[in-house]
Amino acid sequence: NAGVTQTPKFRILKIGQSMTLQCTQDMNHNYMYWYRQDPGMGLKLIYYSVGAGITDKGEVPNGYNVSRSTTEDFPLRLELAAPSQTSVYFCGVRLADEQYFGPGTRLTVT
Amino acid sequence: DQQVKQNSPSLSVQEGRISILNCDYTNSMFDYFLWYKKYPAEGPTFLISISSIKDKNEDGRFTVFLNKSAKHLSLHIVPSQPGDSAVYFCAALYNNNDMRFGAGTRLTVKP
Repeated sequence: NAGVTQTPKFRILKIGQSMTLQCTQDMNHNYMYWYRQDPGMGLKLIYYSVGAGITDKGEVPNGYNVSRSTTEDFPLRLELAAPSQTSVYFCGVRLADEQYFGPGTRLTVT
Repeated sequence: DQQVKQNSPSLSVQEGRISILNCDYTNSMFDYFLWYKKYPAEGPTFLISISSIKDKNEDGRFTVFLNKSAKHLSLHIVPSQPGDSAVYFCAALYNNNDMRFGAGTRLTVKP
C-alpha cells in the first residue's frame, strides 16, 4: 500500500450528513480510482480519473462526487449519506497493468 | 450484472500442496486480467496479471492460466504456504479503465 494514503480510516455518519474521503498518492501516476467493497462482494468501481481535471463515472457512481484538481489528490464526496453507502472504500492508483490500493476507509451510515 | 465470477467463496489446502483458484468472466471485451491478494484491514495487493493475448504467465510460485474460449482463468500457487492465507480477488480490465472484480475466494493454507 506504499504511496497511496487514505483518510480517515473509520467514520460513522448519520443519515443525511456529508463527508469527504481523502486519497493522496505520491507515485505521480495519472490513473486513480475509487472503489467500494460490500461484505462478501468484490470491489465495485465508483469513479475514476485519468489525470488532473478529468473524471468519469464507474459502475456505481450514484450518491457520490469526485474532483481531481491535482495529480496527487482524488477526494470522494458523499453529499447526503444513506445507509446503502455503508461500505469499505478503497482508493487505487494504476500504472500499466499494476494497481496499488490504499488501506481503505470503513464508513458506517446509521 | 456480475461480469467476473469467483464461484468458490473458500478453499482450504495443506501446506506444500497446490492451490487452484478459479475465475470466470462473461465479457469477451476484457483485455487484461489480474489477481489480487487481500489481508484483513488492508487494501488489495497486486499479485500477477495476464494479457488476453497470452495463455500463461508465471511469477515464482504463482502462475495464471487463461482460457479465452472458455472465458476462464485460474491462479495456481505451488507450493502453498501458510502466509498465502488471504482473500484472492480476480479482476478484469476493459477499455483500459473499467476494472471489474470477482467476489473473492478465501484461501486457507493449513500447516
